[in-house]
Amino acid sequence: GAVVSQHPSRVICKSGTSVKIECRSLDFQATTMFWYRQFPKQSLMLMATSNEGSKATYEQGVEKDKFLINHASLTLSTLTVTSAHPEDSSFYICSARSIEYSYTFGSGTRLTVV
Amino acid sequence: GNSVTQMEGPVTLSEEAFLTINCTYTATGYPSLFWYVQYPGEGLQLLLKATKADDKGSNKGFEATYRKETTSFHLEKGSVQVSDSAVYFCARRSNDYKLSFGAGTTVTVRA
Repeated sequence: GAVVSQHPSRVICKSGTSVKIECRSLDFQATTMFWYRQFPKQSLMLMATSNEGSKATYEQGVEKDKFLINHASLTLSTLTVTSAHPEDSSFYICSARSIEYSYTFGSGTRLTVV
Repeated sequence: GNSVTQMEGPVTLSEEAFLTINCTYTATGYPSLFWYVQYPGEGLQLLLKATKADDKGSNKGFEATYRKETTSFHLEKGSVQVSDSAVYFCARRSNDYKLSFGAGTTVTVRA
């Protein structure tokens, strides 16, 4: 079956530093990757959509310069939280879409900014 | 506004009880509909889906039927187990392939 590997699962960083989160589709090529943010006991909020080789499309209210998304290949997308602040602490989840497997989600990254 | 409205929890049940979680959606046309399950500290796993009206998705004893006339996709399971304790999300896919999620329903099954 389809597997999406998201790394790291947990990260703690200091305020003002940047953190990179990777999302890889292990056994299929993803036509599109999605990045979500989830606050405690809440639903998933779509942050951006990315297609391989093109710029990500951000949802309204999401800062492009703070949340940098790179989609260099059909199997890898990265989300970089730049100049992180405590309010960026959250659970970040990626999802990869393919024709065969529909949507496959990563296991999430718990980011804590101290 | 949110295009998926989901019954809010939390829901607490005893083992072998009947579970139903209501989900309604707004959309033009006939979007694909999904139920996802999230276990603590993990991402989402697809539980079942339906792609057209009257389709019934089923998996692990869970079922949901795509009802066009009531724009609903209620999740049901006849006899829950402790291992079914999780957060359940209803979702619909829009024409641009984005998923919109309901608020999530926390289900706790007690032995």
